[in-house]
Amino acid sequence: GAVVSQHPSRVICKSGTSVKIECRSLDFQATTMFWYRQFPKQSLMLMATSNEGSKATYEQGVEKDKFLINHASLTLSTLTVTSAHPEDSSFYICSAPRKLASYNEQFFGPGTRLTVL
Amino acid sequence: GNSVTQMEGPVTLSEEAFLTINCTYTATGYPSLFWYVQYPGEGLQLLLKATKADDKGSNKGFEATYRKETTSFHLEKGSVQVSDSAVYFCALSNFGNEKLTFGTGTRLTIIP
Repeated sequence: GAVVSQHPSRVICKSGTSVKIECRSLDFQATTMFWYRQFPKQSLMLMATSNEGSKATYEQGVEKDKFLINHASLTLSTLTVTSAHPEDSSFYICSAPRKLASYNEQFFGPGTRLTVL
Repeated sequence: GNSVTQMEGPVTLSEEAFLTINCTYTATGYPSLFWYVQYPGEGLQLLLKATKADDKGSNKGFEATYRKETTSFHLEKGSVQVSDSAVYFCALSNFGNEKLTFGTGTRLTIIP
C-alpha cells in the first residue's frame, strides 16, 4: 500500500529555535498534503492544507507565520515551526491523499513528536 | 461546523469479547464517515468507511453502519483479538472535501 513517511520521528529543541518536519509520499505523487496537530488525549486537529506550487491554506486560528509550510515537490511537504515555544510541543501528523478506484484515500505519516524546552 | 463525538477510553476487554465503540457526528449535508486505526508506532490506517446512509463498512471483522437518523457510526466487532489493541479514531469528511474531522480517539487494549 501507499506509504507516507515523516522525519524526524522525534525532536527536542530549545525555546526560540526553529524546527523543520518533512512529510514524504514514498510511492505516489500528492499535489495536496495535510498537516494535523494532536494534543494528548485529544483528536487530530487540521492545521493547514499544503498545496504543491502554491501557498498553503491555513485553518482558522493557525498562525501562518508561526507554522511555515512549503510543498517543494509532488512528494515532499515541509512544516517549519518558527521560534518554537513550549506551548508548541505536540504530535504533528501529515497525510496525503491517493486516488484509489473512485475515491481518494488519505495515507498518514507516523507522526513527529516535538518537545520544546 | 463539523464535529465528531467518540466514546471515551481507554477500553479494556478480554480476548473474544464483543466490542462496541460509539461515534456520533454533526455535519452539514451528507458526509462520508470513517474509522481509522493507529497501531503502536505507526501512522493512522483506514479501517473502514461508508459514504452514504445505511451503508455498512467492514474490514478485518470490524463493522460500522452509517445511521443518518441517529447521526451515528458505531464500530463493532464480534470477537476481539490481542492484535486489535490500538487507538481507534472516528472521522468524517464532506463530499469532495478531503479534510477530515476526527473524534478524540479510543484506546483499546485486549488482554489474553
